[in-house]
Amino acid sequence: QKEVEQNSGPLSVPEGAIASLNCTYSDRGSQSFFWYRQYSGKSPELIMSIYSNGDKEDGRFTAQLNKASQYVSLLIRDSQPSDSATYLCAVTMNTGNQFYFGTGTSLTVIP
Amino acid sequence: DVKVTQSSRYLVKRTGEKVFLECVQDMDHENMFWYRQDPGLGLRLIYFSYDVKMKEKGDIPEGYSVSREKKERFSLILESASTNQTSMYLCASSTITSGGWDEQFFGPGTRLTVL
Repeated sequence: QKEVEQNSGPLSVPEGAIASLNCTYSDRGSQSFFWYRQYSGKSPELIMSIYSNGDKEDGRFTAQLNKASQYVSLLIRDSQPSDSATYLCAVTMNTGNQFYFGTGTSLTVIP
Repeated sequence: DVKVTQSSRYLVKRTGEKVFLECVQDMDHENMFWYRQDPGLGLRLIYFSYDVKMKEKGDIPEGYSVSREKKERFSLILESASTNQTSMYLCASSTITSGGWDEQFFGPGTRLTVL
C-alpha cells in the first residue's frame, strides 16, 4: 500500500460545479496535510494546508480532514476553467521527518 | 514570499556528460529536496538535506549525488548522464516546526533532456 493514494482521474466537471478531490493515507499518526496545484509544465504550488480534524475554508477552496478514517479531501466550489490542473495531496508522516506526495488527480473544468 | 530558484529552465546534455543542477532558496529553510517528475509516476524523491553538509537518500538516488555547502544552496549532480535521466527536476525547500516538516516550496523546475 502506498503511503498516500489519490484517484488519478481524470475528473471532469462543468464550470460552476463543485469539484471533489480525495486522498487517503496510510500512517494513522500523520500530522500535517497539504494540497498542491500543478499546471501542466509548471511546478506545484501550495493552495491549502490543514492540521486538525474538520474543515478549513479559503475562498472557493475547502479542505476536509478526517484522521479517524485517514482521508483528506479538497472541495473546489464554483469551479472555473482556470482550476484545470493536477492536484497533489501531501502528508507529513508520524515521525515528522517524512513527506509523501500522492501521484495527483487531474481535474478538467469544462466551460 | 519564499523564493526557490533553479539555475536553468531547460537543459540539453549528451549521454555521459556530468550535469550540475543548482537550487537556491532565500528563506533560511533547513530542509532542501530534489525530486524528479515523470508522467504517470508522480514526484519521486532523489535526495534531501536537513542541514549544511548533511544529506539523505530518497527513493531513487542511483546515478545522482548532491552537495550542500551553504544553507541556501543545494546542488544535484548527474555523474554520467543517461537517456533514462531525461525528466523534469524539481527543487523544494521547507522549514521545521514543532509538528515536523512544514510545507514544501518548489522552484520552477528544470526540464533536462539527455540525448
